[in-house]
Amino acid sequence: ILNVEQSPQSLHVQEGDSTNFTCSFPSSNFYALHWYRWETAKSPEALFVMTLNGDEKKKGRISATLNTKEGYSYLYIKGSQPEDSATYLCALGELNYGGSQGNLIFGKGTKLSVKP
Amino acid sequence: DGGITQSPKYLFRKEGQNVTLSCEQNLNHDAMYWYRQDPGQGLRLIYYSQIVNDFQKGDIAEGYSVSREKKESFPLTVTSAQKNPTAFYLCASTDTFEDEQYFGPGTRLTVT
Repeated sequence: ILNVEQSPQSLHVQEGDSTNFTCSFPSSNFYALHWYRWETAKSPEALFVMTLNGDEKKKGRISATLNTKEGYSYLYIKGSQPEDSATYLCALGELNYGGSQGNLIFGKGTKLSVKP
Repeated sequence: DGGITQSPKYLFRKEGQNVTLSCEQNLNHDAMYWYRQDPGQGLRLIYYSQIVNDFQKGDIAEGYSVSREKKESFPLTVTSAQKNPTAFYLCASTDTFEDEQYFGPGTRLTVT
């Protein structure tokens, strides 16, 4: 059974702090690495889908990097705001026999709380 | 507005009763998925369907059943055979040419 690990499990920061969390995954059969933001009482929302080793993606104050050789991805939030409070999920998309993405394997998430 | 709807938001049932959770999408996506979330766990795949009239078991399909008679709809039935049905259930869909999954708001099922 493949395991996608996220750390830390939870994080409490002050407004304005920058923060980062980690997603570790088995590097064999890699197709894509997904990051989702899940705010309370809302649907999970896709942040990034990353496929290439060394990839770096950015959306506003949030960025992510990917290392497929060693099997990890980092998510960075610069200058955290209270509205960044959410659970951040990462998910591994494996390469399937057809050469496309198989089903996603999710980590348990990192719960971020940003205090004003 | 395109999206995925799940109803109801909260559902309460007595043990021994079957219950059906609704999932509808108007994104014209081919593939649809059902996940379950329990406290302290990641999302776990129950069933998925890549095309109408076809579906496959995910990692934890025991005690669940699905149907996919229409592209837009993928209802999940939690049967009395499911030993621990109380959980949060999420439905998702994806386009054939995209890798990203789109999620509904979820249904919290409580069985007592």
